[in-house]
Amino acid sequence: GPKVLQIPSHQIIDMGQMVTLNCDPVSNHLYFYWYKQILGQQMEFLVNFYNGKVMEKSKLFKDQFSVERPDGSYFTLKIQPTALEDSAVYFCASSLGLGGRSYEQYFGPGTRLTVL
Amino acid sequence: DAKTTQPDSMESTEGETVHLPCSHATISGNEYIYWYRQVPLQGPEYVTHGLQQNTTNSMAFLAIASDRKSSTLILPHVSLRDAAVYHCTPRTGGNNKLTFGQGTVLSVIP
Repeated sequence: GPKVLQIPSHQIIDMGQMVTLNCDPVSNHLYFYWYKQILGQQMEFLVNFYNGKVMEKSKLFKDQFSVERPDGSYFTLKIQPTALEDSAVYFCASSLGLGGRSYEQYFGPGTRLTVL
Repeated sequence: DAKTTQPDSMESTEGETVHLPCSHATISGNEYIYWYRQVPLQGPEYVTHGLQQNTTNSMAFLAIASDRKSSTLILPHVSLRDAAVYHCTPRTGGNNKLTFGQGTVLSVIP
């Protein structure tokens, strides 16, 4: 089936540094999402994005977070500066639309972010 | 957001039919129920979804109670590959946000 790719699979950085997580969504999808999962905890919604704009964000989406998808390239999540509590697995997802079966979200394998 | 309740874990033997329950008593009239499953080191995988009517696809049968306060995901003839964490999640609002709980860990014994 359709695949969502995430690059890198694992990133280790020092606290205070900037990090960019990259997502290559399904090619004809229009809606993009980021979720965060801390080890041993449930996955939580961060943000969704359509037509160049954030549609909805959760309280976990701090001011240090930003998302963009310039010119149809990677959908990115940038954290600047990072904090220890940002250590988690970040999952990207995409969906074709918002109607019927097109609501289905396809998830990538995740990027494990470790902040030291 | 509608709150869901699922058993922490269930166990089955290969070839059996498994019934995974989910309670969603506070679900609103226009919220769909989605089921995803997740195995370690991978993102969630879509299983099925429904609103009011029972639905079926190649992976599972979804039975939704007539009052919509609960649903049951039925997996026929489970195999070892069906071992995963199964999440019952309401699709919230027009922005397609998924709300995950802890899910049910399904173990499948050979």
